[in-house]
Amino acid sequence: QKEVEQNSGPLSVPEGAIASLNCTYSDRVSQSFFWYRQYSGKSPELIMSIYSNGDKEDGRFTAQLNKASQYVSLLIRDSQPSDSATYLCAVDTGRRALTFGSGTRLQVQP
Amino acid sequence: EAGVVQSPRYKIIEKKQPVAFWCNPISGHNTLYWYRQNLGQGPELLIRYENEEAVDDSQLPKDRFSAERLKGVDSTLKIQPAELGDSAVYLCASSLDLAGGTDTQYFGPGTRLTVL
Repeated sequence: QKEVEQNSGPLSVPEGAIASLNCTYSDRVSQSFFWYRQYSGKSPELIMSIYSNGDKEDGRFTAQLNKASQYVSLLIRDSQPSDSATYLCAVDTGRRALTFGSGTRLQVQP
Repeated sequence: EAGVVQSPRYKIIEKKQPVAFWCNPISGHNTLYWYRQNLGQGPELLIRYENEEAVDDSQLPKDRFSAERLKGVDSTLKIQPAELGDSAVYLCASSLDLAGGTDTQYFGPGTRLTVL
């Protein structure tokens, strides 16, 4: 079992819709969780970090964390074509380095 | 503020040749990471430095890979000799890690290595 699992997609949503991206992790001691966006041919860019159970909102983005279920998600409201990218879920299991999932490719259709 | 700088951006070499990548982190960042990203995968940690000390190199293939961060600032990652399977994007990241927590990691643009 991979430490951080994501559906590879592609996840296709129409412009203006809510995109929901999901991630599960295996190590229960994980403390810090991150969502990175990566455009094709570019490096990962941090979108959100979350450390406590519940929701964290930043503009059109909401990260949700459920440590009991070992589940973290990212919601993108009012999706735009410019949101089309690969979204990487990353977990810090205490090594002070990140373990990444393989990413979910999001396509927002105009 | 300048971001993480990496060079070269692209490198094409033949197998068995040596190659080196250079990274200059964000000014003041004490922690530097080298990751490798294969096509369609997330980045995988190769080595982490806190200042000039390599504190996590468990995933670094030490038979052919080496790294250094002599003055605790910029860093070099070397592969000698390169193999076909080393073709990937090599990403450098840096962070300002305060006691008890992991700060945001900022990634450089990466070096895309192609081994022929």
